[in-house]
Amino acid sequence: QKEVEQDPGPLSVPEGAIVSLNCTYSNSAFQYFMWYRQYSRKGPELLMYTYSSGNKEDGRFTAQVDKSSKYISLFIRDSQPSDSATYLCAMNQGGSEKLVFGKGTKLTVNP
Amino acid sequence: GAVVSQHPSRVICKSGTSVKIECRSLDFQATTMFWYRQFPKQSLMLMATSNEGSKATYEQGVEKDKFLINHASLTLSTLTVTSAHPEDSSFYICSARDHPRQGAGTEAFFGQGTRLTVV
Repeated sequence: QKEVEQDPGPLSVPEGAIVSLNCTYSNSAFQYFMWYRQYSRKGPELLMYTYSSGNKEDGRFTAQVDKSSKYISLFIRDSQPSDSATYLCAMNQGGSEKLVFGKGTKLTVNP
Repeated sequence: GAVVSQHPSRVICKSGTSVKIECRSLDFQATTMFWYRQFPKQSLMLMATSNEGSKATYEQGVEKDKFLINHASLTLSTLTVTSAHPEDSSFYICSARDHPRQGAGTEAFFGQGTRLTVV
């Protein structure tokens, strides 16, 4: 079993839809959870950063962490064509600098 | 957020030659930088952790003599792919954290990536 599982998609939605992206993980020591957005042929851009369980909201983006289920989510409200990208989840454990990434989910928002 | 600049963005080289990729933290000091490799439709795979003033720590399966890493200052790390072969063609990405390690949770910022094609 991989440490981090993420459905690669692709996921295609109409403009304005609510998008739900998810990752599961197996290492209960993970405490810090991140979502990155990566446009084609570019480096990842940090979107959301959360610690332990709970929700965090930033504009149209909401990150949720459920440590009991080892499950994290990223919600995008009122999705826009400019949100079309690959979304990567990443996480690490306390005391470690190494990030473990999911495979990424390719999202297309159609006008 | 902090800015990490990576250069070049694209490079094509002949088989057997060496290629150097630079990673700079522009507005902060990075005692630690990371080098990743990404194949199409695959996740980022950590290759090595670069520490300023000391030897890099390589992940299992990564040849340290092939992928030379130098972290000579707090704002610059370089990755040199030596004697490149077509199978080394990939997308290489660096990242850095924006302040000295005091515990987990510091966000990592990424460079723009370098597309290496070995012909």
